Amino acid sequence: DTGVSQDPRHKITKRGQNVTFRCDPISEHNRLYWYRQTLGQGPEFLTYFQNEAQLEKSRLLSDRFSAERPKGSFSTLEIQRTEQGDSAMYLCASRGGGGQYFGPGTRLTVT
Amino acid sequence: DQQVKQNSPSLSVQEGRISILNCDYTNSMFDYFLWYKKYPAEGPTFLISISSIKDKNEDGRFTVFLNKSAKHLSLHIVPSQPGDSAVYFCAASDRGSTLGRLYFGRGTQLTVWP
Repeated sequence: DTGVSQDPRHKITKRGQNVTFRCDPISEHNRLYWYRQTLGQGPEFLTYFQNEAQLEKSRLLSDRFSAERPKGSFSTLEIQRTEQGDSAMYLCASRGGGGQYFGPGTRLTVT
Repeated sequence: DQQVKQNSPSLSVQEGRISILNCDYTNSMFDYFLWYKKYPAEGPTFLISISSIKDKNEDGRFTVFLNKSAKHLSLHIVPSQPGDSAVYFCAASDRGSTLGRLYFGRGTQLTVWP
């Protein structure tokens, strides 16, 4: 079973550093989503790809955030000049049929 | 702007009894609803979904009911088991939108005790 995978699972970084996360979706899914979840909240939408095209970005995605999906397969999410407020679980999901299937997430802690 | 609301942050149920988790939404364009279960340090796991053309969908111990006029849905778990203890998220989407993003509630922590 090749579900959605994310790497790394945990990342601790110092404020001001750059971090990059990777997501590998389910292979036959052409739609890929990034969400962010903070404590006590449900996942919040960040951005969406259909194949390699980034079709939508939330206003939560400041200009320090960038996401790519260069060949329509895996995706990366980069955060530049991290801030303590960026500490959260970053979730990737791919869509097949009606449902979205989530990866295990990357837990980011900015110290 | 919380378009999907789960007003009960927690629910405690005895093993073998029914668990009922509730969810309300405000956007009348939502036409597809999902429930996810989440354990700590893991991503949400898809449980069950329902389209707005139905009012009930059942899968084993899990049943989702949809009341469109009230903009309300509920998840019933019968019988509840200790392994069901987790956070349950309600989510909704507008499938007519090419985006297909999900809107989530804040979750309900279910605890099933022996």
